[in-house]
Amino acid sequence: GAVVSQHPSWVICKSGTSVKIECRSLDFQATTMFWYRQFPKQSLMLMATSNEGSKATYEQGVEKDKFLINHASLTLSTLTVTSAHPEDSSFYICSPYRVGAKNIQYFGAGTRLSVL
Amino acid sequence: AQKITQTQPGMFVQEKEAVTLDCTYDTSDPSYGLFWYKQPSSGEMIFLIYQGSYDQQNATEGRYSLNFQKARKSANLVISASQLGDSAMYFCAMREAPLYNQGGKLIFGQGTELSVKP
Repeated sequence: GAVVSQHPSWVICKSGTSVKIECRSLDFQATTMFWYRQFPKQSLMLMATSNEGSKATYEQGVEKDKFLINHASLTLSTLTVTSAHPEDSSFYICSPYRVGAKNIQYFGAGTRLSVL
Repeated sequence: AQKITQTQPGMFVQEKEAVTLDCTYDTSDPSYGLFWYKQPSSGEMIFLIYQGSYDQQNATEGRYSLNFQKARKSANLVISASQLGDSAMYFCAMREAPLYNQGGKLIFGQGTELSVKP
């Protein structure tokens, strides 16, 4: 099956710092990338959708200036949490869409962010 | 707007027995796809099964089957012969208008936490 690499898997940072999360599709090209956030014992909530070479589309209530998404290539997308605060602590999961794969959606292993 | 509902926050099942996890959905789009994922405590999302709105037969993948009732807008997951390793969170998700070369977003239900008893 397709391989998605998400890095780092776990990060602790101080309040006010920025954290970058990388998501790579290792054996396919991802024209679209979805970024989700999941709080403990809750569902996955879509944060934003990005298409390669275009600006990301953010879901209602998600601050685009806080969560910067870059999708510069078909195999790499990054999510940067800027000026992180404790309330940004969460589990972040990327999900690249593989062209033609309408009956499956791949996910990265996720990144646990803890902001102190 | 599309909506996915899982009404069972938690379920218990005895090892080797079958269990059904409920999922109902709402959409005005005639073309959609329904997914089930398993999320163990590690957090990874494991794809289990897919059902397209135009698929004539219920999807099956090994011990997993999807009881698709289109008129009732339900897509329940049936796990046969439960194993201890099946203990995890299970999510139902829907994607509208799954175009061939453009990915629509997945919207998830609230999830059901399944515990398998030995």
